[in-house]
Amino acid sequence: DQQVKQNSPSLSVQEGRISILNCDYTNSMFDYFLWYKKYPAEGPTFLISISSIKDKNEDGRFTVFLNKSAKHLSLHIVPSQPGDSAVYFCAASAKSSGDKLTFGTGTRLAVRP
Amino acid sequence: NAGVTQTPKFQVLKTGQSMTLQCAQDMNHEYMSWYRQDPGMGLRLIHYSVGAGITDQGEVPNGYNVSRSTTEDFPLRLLSAAPSQTSVYFCASTEWEGSAEAFFGQGTRLTVV
Repeated sequence: DQQVKQNSPSLSVQEGRISILNCDYTNSMFDYFLWYKKYPAEGPTFLISISSIKDKNEDGRFTVFLNKSAKHLSLHIVPSQPGDSAVYFCAASAKSSGDKLTFGTGTRLAVRP
Repeated sequence: NAGVTQTPKFQVLKTGQSMTLQCAQDMNHEYMSWYRQDPGMGLRLIHYSVGAGITDQGEVPNGYNVSRSTTEDFPLRLLSAAPSQTSVYFCASTEWEGSAEAFFGQGTRLTVV
């Protein structure tokens, strides 16, 4: 039972355009959401997060939007750069389960020069 | 600033062999965890520890043991390797259990033949 889903395994975007990565979840107890970025042969690195009490969080070129009623969040990257090419994992946690992270399956982003 | 260090980076085992994946962090983090990453499955939690002397099972604990004798070290033991344990293993640490922003090691790619 996949509680966090990333339905697009891959995404290709032109440099300078917007990248939108999507994530859906089923567990209504999730109260904290994160995005991690992973380059080949490296561990994931934290990118940005959002609490369930907010609907938007922005950090430079990266913005995460949360729609609790739809159980959906998205990561916007504007403008996209070739160095953003990586696998992006969505993750969620709930205080009721000890804040353990549940990860999605990842979306591979390719930014074309 | 080493962060989270995993050894080895690569390992090939024969079915039935045992081995220990090492993980060490130098950030004085209380919470450490082990994940495995498989194609199409995202990262799944194997075992975790909320402090020295305390460990607990995650989503996929079967076939693995852990111990936490010090704050710094959190080794993962494969008792009798099976081909189903072929995967990439990541160790992670966070400052405390409620902090979901985890720091990951570079990973260990394990192949069981």
